[in-house]
Amino acid sequence: EAQVTQNPRYLITVTGKKLTVTCSQNMNHEYMSWYRQDPGLGLRQIYYSMNVEVTDKGDVPEGYKVSRKEKRNFPLILESPSPNQTSLYFCASSLTGLSSNQPQHFGDGTRLSIL
Amino acid sequence: AQSVTQLDSHVSVSEGTPVLLRCNYSSSYSPSLFWYVQHPNKGLQLLLKYTSAATLVKGINGFEAEFKKSETSFHLTKPSAHMSDAAEYFCVVTGGRGTASKLTFGTGTRLQVTL
Repeated sequence: EAQVTQNPRYLITVTGKKLTVTCSQNMNHEYMSWYRQDPGLGLRQIYYSMNVEVTDKGDVPEGYKVSRKEKRNFPLILESPSPNQTSLYFCASSLTGLSSNQPQHFGDGTRLSIL
Repeated sequence: AQSVTQLDSHVSVSEGTPVLLRCNYSSSYSPSLFWYVQHPNKGLQLLLKYTSAATLVKGINGFEAEFKKSETSFHLTKPSAHMSDAAEYFCVVTGGRGTASKLTFGTGTRLQVTL
């Protein structure tokens, strides 16, 4: 089954404790992206990747890092989490970059709470 | 620059009555527009997309949307609401040169369907 898998689905942690949210897709997609969803703000893009070893900042990259060493994986790293990063996070992928108007395939989300 | 405005944060309809979710966009280039649906505790699922072909776009589950350039609108409609349509809906725009790798999301419209 074609899917985007995020782990963990839920995490409660404390300020400053490094964490990684994993994202994996099994569709051989080139484009992957991370979003955060906050009430009343919709989804905002954190980082995206056009292909292996190619990443770029989205609208709200501060406090986050990403890497794309393999095509299928695109982890989101919070080196020193802070309470304002408490949010619902989504990973998404598409066959190619958005200029080709490919639909995004979303994971089920990761709810992070930073105390 | 591009933006999208969903005119209603919450819409309530009775089962069997029509649904109208409104979306206006702004884009410097010919946009591509999408509607996504998000059910509770799930990621976003593509409902339909407009990519400069037919202005009336049909999607899944009986939804459709009409692209009106003169009104910069892309409203989502369905003739008869079903209880399973209760969810949050996002209008999304992606632009052309220079913005090809960016999706801009609206803030969402929560659809409530009552008996």
